[in-house]
Amino acid sequence: DGGITQSPKYLFRKEGQNVTLSCEQNLNHDAMYWYRQDPGQGLRLIYYSQIVNDFQKGDIAEGYSVSREKKESFPLTVTSAQKNPTAFYLCASSDRNRGAETQYFGPGTRLLVL
Amino acid sequence: QKEVEQDPGPLSVPEGAIVSLNCTYSNSAFQYFMWYRQYSRKGPELLMYTYSSGNKEDGRFTAQVDKSSKYISLFIRDSQPSDSATYLCAMRRIKAAGNKLTFGGGTRVLVKP
Repeated sequence: DGGITQSPKYLFRKEGQNVTLSCEQNLNHDAMYWYRQDPGQGLRLIYYSQIVNDFQKGDIAEGYSVSREKKESFPLTVTSAQKNPTAFYLCASSDRNRGAETQYFGPGTRLLVL
Repeated sequence: QKEVEQDPGPLSVPEGAIVSLNCTYSNSAFQYFMWYRQYSRKGPELLMYTYSSGNKEDGRFTAQVDKSSKYISLFIRDSQPSDSATYLCAMRRIKAAGNKLTFGGGTRVLVKP
């Protein structure tokens, strides 16, 4: 089955710790995205990548970093510089030629601070 | 002020009723309009996609776009308890960098049996 997987489902972070969220897709999509979802605020774009070895900052990139070494993978690191990391994190992908209207989302990772 | 406004709800309706959802926006450059459904603790799934103005129907779902009023709507006919979810509107400009979407905050819908 084609789709997007995210792991872990839940993640706990201690003060001063960096944590990495995994996102893998087997849809052969070029573009991948990371969103943060907070209650009542919808989804906000953190980073996006339209091609391997290239990525761009979204609206709320501060305190986050990404890499795109493989087409299938787009991991997100939440660094200690992100002072309010508690949120639901969603990864998405799309066929770049068809546009973002057909973004497919993963099941999400809920990050909590200890 | 947010670019896309959406009433958070909750919107509670009896089974079989019509669910009416809407979003208003401020950026007249938006041309693509989408509705996503999100069940609790899950990722959103695309329901409807509309380009520019007009209506689009798919089964029990109808999406409407009124660009002159900067207003979009989603109607769900013959609602079922399985329609209970949060509905997110999203939109983007034609040449948005990275095909970036702008989301509303979502409306929580509860369909009571």
